[in-house]
Amino acid sequence: AAGVIQSPRHLIKEKRETATLKCYPIPRHDTVYWYQQGPGQDPQFLISFYEKMQSDKGSIPDRFSAQQFSDYHSELNMSSLELGDSALYFCASSLRGILYGYTFGSGTRLTVV
Amino acid sequence: GQQVMQIPQYQHVQEGEDFTTYCNSSTTLSNIQWYKQRPGGHPVFLIQLVKSGEVKKQKRLTFQFGEAKKNSSLHITATQTTDVGTYFCAVYSGGGADGLTFGKGTHLIIQP
Repeated sequence: AAGVIQSPRHLIKEKRETATLKCYPIPRHDTVYWYQQGPGQDPQFLISFYEKMQSDKGSIPDRFSAQQFSDYHSELNMSSLELGDSALYFCASSLRGILYGYTFGSGTRLTVV
Repeated sequence: GQQVMQIPQYQHVQEGEDFTTYCNSSTTLSNIQWYKQRPGGHPVFLIQLVKSGEVKKQKRLTFQFGEAKKNSSLHITATQTTDVGTYFCAVYSGGGADGLTFGKGTHLIIQP
């Protein structure tokens, strides 16, 4: 079965640079979520999209933005990168509603140097 | 928003021993989900509990939702090395928000 696809798997950027992470959700899933996970930490919710519209917002810094496109893929744009942005970034998708679990992608490991 | 306290943070067991992790909330939860994350992997959805007092089983895993819907537990019987990982509970923040809030997780370490 198709899973959530994230790219790239690894990304190394310098401070103050910009990064773009991509996510391709499971077909027919109508909601996409972005999470940030630091080493040994729990995933922190950043932002979600339902049917290509921003649905919910968590602890996403103002330097970050995201959008979902007409083909349902989503991109997380991160500007003015800081060392503290180094983390695993997960995308997840699901059907909307509290009865459904999330399917996570394999994540993008971002290292800011 | 909703928050859950998950304990213990770490659990070392000998292979074959049982393991339990607990999630507690100060407020009534609409539902609770459980995820497993293997070292270096991504969270994988295990189960969702919705009803008061609900008990669900998946092979050696037993999930419970408290009668007051304020606590939940995951119990693994006779742990195996494949059970290694971090187990997270997750809840919705409430107010129509659809982003799950994760507990801090319990890291299960198994000694052969």
